[in-house]
Amino acid sequence: IAGITQAPTSQILAAGRRMTLRCTQDMRHNAMYWYRQDLGLGLRLIHYSNTAGTTGKGEVPDGYSVSRANTDDFPLTLASAVPSQTSVYFCASSRLAGDTGELFFGEGSRLTVL
Amino acid sequence: GQNIDQPTEMTATEGAIVQINCTYQTSGFNGLFWYQQHAGEAPTFLSYNVLDGLEEKGRFSSFLSRSKGYSYLLLKELQMKDSASYLCAVRDSNYQLIWGAGTKLIIKP
Repeated sequence: IAGITQAPTSQILAAGRRMTLRCTQDMRHNAMYWYRQDLGLGLRLIHYSNTAGTTGKGEVPDGYSVSRANTDDFPLTLASAVPSQTSVYFCASSRLAGDTGELFFGEGSRLTVL
Repeated sequence: GQNIDQPTEMTATEGAIVQINCTYQTSGFNGLFWYQQHAGEAPTFLSYNVLDGLEEKGRFSSFLSRSKGYSYLLLKELQMKDSASYLCAVRDSNYQLIWGAGTKLIIKP
C-alpha cells in the first residue's frame, strides 16, 4: 500500500441501508478528512480527525459518522443512506492538522443511493 | 458567507498559455492552494501561496494578492495532459479549507 486506499471504489446502495466506506493510509499522517464532491460544487468537508482518537464535524456532517481508533484507518459510515448522499467521496490526509503542506487524496468512492 | 469563485470551463490550444482566476471571500486567510484533478481521479497538489506574489514551479505558476482576494494559476506550454479540472482552495481563520467548484480546462490540438 502506498498513500491512501479507499474501498469500495464504487457501490450502488438501496435507500435505508447502512454503508461504511473504508479509508487506510500508510504515511503516518496525523490528520485525516472525508469530503464529498458533487457536480458544480466544491469539495465539502464531512468529518475530520486531527489525530488518532479525536474527530470533528465539517460542513456537511448530518447522516454520517466517523471513528479514528488508530492513525491509519478512518472509516465513514452512513447509518441509513438517502438518495441525497449519492456522491463521490474522497478520503484525504495531511501530515498535521492545519499543515501548510499538501493534502493527499484517495482515489475516491462513487456511491449511488437508489 | 464564505465563497470561492472560479470560471466553470475554459478552452485553450496546445502549446499556448492559459490563466485560471480565483477570487475568494473567506473568514480570515491562512493560505491558498491549487489542485489538479483529472476526470475520475483524485485531486493532486499543485501549489501553495500564503504571501503576495508569484510562485513558479516549472510550467505552472501561481499568483496571490491578499488585498484583492485574488489568485491565478498560469499554465505555460500547454500539453494535452493538462486537460483537467483545477481547484482553488483557501484555508480560513479556523484552518478549514474552503474549496471552489473547479475550472474544467479543455486543451485542443
